[in-house]
Amino acid sequence: GAGVSQSPSNKVTEKGKDVELRCDPISGHTALYWYRQSLGQGLEFLIYFQGNSAPDKSGLPSDRFSAERTGGSVSTLTIQRTQQEDSAVYLCASSLTAYNSPLHFGNGTRLTVT
Amino acid sequence: GQNIDQPTEMTATEGAIVQINCTYQTSGFNGLFWYQQHAGEAPTFLSYNVLDGLEEKGRFSSFLSRSKGYSYLLLKELQMKDSASYLCAVTPASYKLIFGSGTRLLVRP
Repeated sequence: GAGVSQSPSNKVTEKGKDVELRCDPISGHTALYWYRQSLGQGLEFLIYFQGNSAPDKSGLPSDRFSAERTGGSVSTLTIQRTQQEDSAVYLCASSLTAYNSPLHFGNGTRLTVT
Repeated sequence: GQNIDQPTEMTATEGAIVQINCTYQTSGFNGLFWYQQHAGEAPTFLSYNVLDGLEEKGRFSSFLSRSKGYSYLLLKELQMKDSASYLCAVTPASYKLIFGSGTRLLVRP
């Protein structure tokens, strides 16, 4: 079956512009995560959605970052007024449940802010 | 706070055995995962431990000691394709998965 799909795969934007990153999770997966990975670094947790519960936004680095998940499926991560330090690979993952289910990752969006 | 520690880099020889350690200090514990990530690719799931002991899956095994906040990933009969980063991740009480910085493994002929 289809895996986690992210778009775009690459995004180059100018400093100060807004960007939207999209994630289509695996059908039926109730949990959805966004992570950020800078070059050679580990995965930094950003936000987590579980079913209809309020999302865990504790990893969002600033109020320029926001995310939503519509209809319990597709999710959009929005970065407003992008800065150069926002350059990274943004990874989306979904899992069947929140508890003890492995995460399935998309291939990520590589964001470059010039 | 949450803290997960792994060695930054390791080198091993093709055909050998390597053990990658992970120690964690988290507010609560609901399980520990190991993921493999090849350069430029997304992480893929390797193993999951929630109870103490060893879980074996072919050439890969993972061990957990909850009382010591310690896990290791054991890779046997190393192959060149095992060169990758290995990520330790813990699910604390809140169920979000927290990752360590990863261990970059280089397998040499």
